[in-house]
Order: sequence, then structure tokens, then C-alpha cells
Amino acid sequence: QKEVEQDPGPLSVPEGAIVSLNCTYSNSAFQYFMWYRQYSRKGPELLMYTYSSGNKEDGRFTAQVDKSSKYISLFIRDSQPSDSATYLCAMSAGGNNRLAFGKGNQVVVIP
Amino acid sequence: SAVISQKPSRDICQRGTSLTIQCQVDSQVTMMFWYRQQPGQSLTLIATANQGSEATYESGFVIDKFPISRPNLTFSTLTVSNMSPEDSSIYLCSVRLQGGGQPQHFGDGTRLSIL
Repeated sequence: QKEVEQDPGPLSVPEGAIVSLNCTYSNSAFQYFMWYRQYSRKGPELLMYTYSSGNKEDGRFTAQVDKSSKYISLFIRDSQPSDSATYLCAMSAGGNNRLAFGKGNQVVVIP
Repeated sequence: SAVISQKPSRDICQRGTSLTIQCQVDSQVTMMFWYRQQPGQSLTLIATANQGSEATYESGFVIDKFPISRPNLTFSTLTVSNMSPEDSSIYLCSVRLQGGGQPQHFGDGTRLSIL
């Protein structure tokens, strides 16, 4: 079993729709959870960062963490063509432990 | 966050040659990392660049193939040595600004193609 599982998609949605992305993981020691957005020919850009379980909202973006199910989600409301990118989940146990990444989920928002 | 600059942004190289990638950060950072990103794959950590000491390599990566330098708290280089077509990939530098658990921030990467 891979440490982090993320369905690579791609996912196409019409403009204005809600985008729902998720990752599952196997390591119960993970406490820090991140979502990165990566545009074509660019590096990953930190989008959301959460610690432990719960929800975090930032504008149109909501990150959810369910540690009991080892499942994290990212929701994008009122999606825009500028949201078209690859979204990577990442997580860490903290300290000097390395980040574990999903494969990334390509999202296309159609105008 | 920090501004992370990588050079070159892309290159096309002949097999058997070596290329050095530079990573410059606009502030002093504790931790710097080098990753490889291949199509359809997760980001793979190559090594942690330690200031003033040898880099710490992940399983499957060796110093002879990927020598790393980190002369100070704002700069690091990764060399890809004796390149083969299998080394064609995106190489990314990242930094962690503070202590454990903090997220990493990435440069825009170096897109490397080996002919």
C-alpha cells in the first residue's frame, strides 16, 4: 500500500462548479497536511496547511482532515478557469520527517 | 514565505555530461531539499542539503550521482552527473522556513532533458 494515495484524474468541471479533491494515507503518525497547487511549468505553490483533524477555510478553498479515516479533502467553491492546475496533497509527521506526496490531481475548469 | 530562484529553468544536455542546478533563497533558511518530479509520479525527495556538512540522501540516490553543496543558509546546488535519458525530469528545490512540521516552499524547478 502506498503511503499516500491520490487519484490523478484528470478532473474537468464547468466554471462555477465545486471541485472536490481527496487523498487517503496509511501512516497514522501524519499530523501536518498540505495542499499544493502547481501550474504548468511552475513549482508547487502552498495553498492550504492544516494541523491535525478539522476544517480550514481560506476564501473559496476549504481543507478538511479526518484522521480517524486517514482521509483529507480540498474543496474549491465557485471554480474559475484560473483554478486549472494540478493539485498535490502532502503530509508529514512533523519534526524533521520528510513530506509524503500524492501523485497530484489535474483539474480543468471549463469556461 | 520565501522567494526561491532556480537556475537554469530548463536545459537540454547530452548523455554522459553533468549539469549543476542552483537554488537561491532570499532569506536564511534552516532546511533545503532537492526533489525530482517525473510525469505521473509523486515528488521524490533526493536529499536534504545540510549547511556545512554532507547532504543526507534518500534510498536510491547516491552522492556520486547527485552531489550537493550548501555553502551557506541561502544557497545550494545539485549536480546531476554522467547523465542518461532516465535522468530527464523536473528537479525542484524547496525550503522549510522554521521548525518541524512547517510546510515546504518550492522553486519553479529545472526542466532537464537528456538526449
